[in-house]
Amino acid sequence: DTGVSQNPRHKITKRGQNVTFRCDPISEHNRLYWYRQTLGQGPEFLTYFQNEAQLEKSRLLSDRFSAERPKGSFSTLEIQRTEQGDSAMYLCASITLGGPGNTIYFGEGSWLTVV
Amino acid sequence: GENVEQHPSTLSVQEGDSAVIKCTYSDSASNYFPWYKQELGKGPQLIIDIRSNVGEKKDQRIAVTLNKTAKHFSLHITETQPEDSAVYFCAASETSYDKVIFGPGTSLSVIP
Repeated sequence: DTGVSQNPRHKITKRGQNVTFRCDPISEHNRLYWYRQTLGQGPEFLTYFQNEAQLEKSRLLSDRFSAERPKGSFSTLEIQRTEQGDSAMYLCASITLGGPGNTIYFGEGSWLTVV
Repeated sequence: GENVEQHPSTLSVQEGDSAVIKCTYSDSASNYFPWYKQELGKGPQLIIDIRSNVGEKKDQRIAVTLNKTAKHFSLHITETQPEDSAVYFCAASETSYDKVIFGPGTSLSVIP
């Protein structure tokens, strides 16, 4: 499978616990995005990386959220002290710049349920 | 920032009929307009896109139109089939590799 891979696919956690999601982009894709999608809504942009540099963060990304892409390949999204409002699907997407007709490819998402 | 609106929120059509979804955007800097199909429990999948230098694009049963002056764009699906049932999102961005701003989605049901 050469698509965007996300793990775990589902996570149930108790309020106050920390969770971490991992995204493996398509090989050699240098730009990586994180989105959040709640039920019945469209995905909302959270942040993106160009190689290992985090270039933009949405206001949705509170201090409890941190994203990293240490070697410019896979990325992690950590949520600390989870709240019920964090329950959502977290989507990762990737693209490589410079290619003709390029478009962003999304992964299957990681579902988070905070109980 | 960019704001994308989408109508209708739900759409039910008979198999074989056409379906039309309409969107508007607010930021004149947007030049790339992708459409995504999302099935239950899966990530969005690109089905067609259009760039601002093109007014219309067609791919088999799917067509998109763009009116940059009015900031409107639409998705047309002809000869609908039950497997077209899904949630469809319009979106806008400055380029194909910039962050994408999504509309709220249209839930399409195709009745056999």
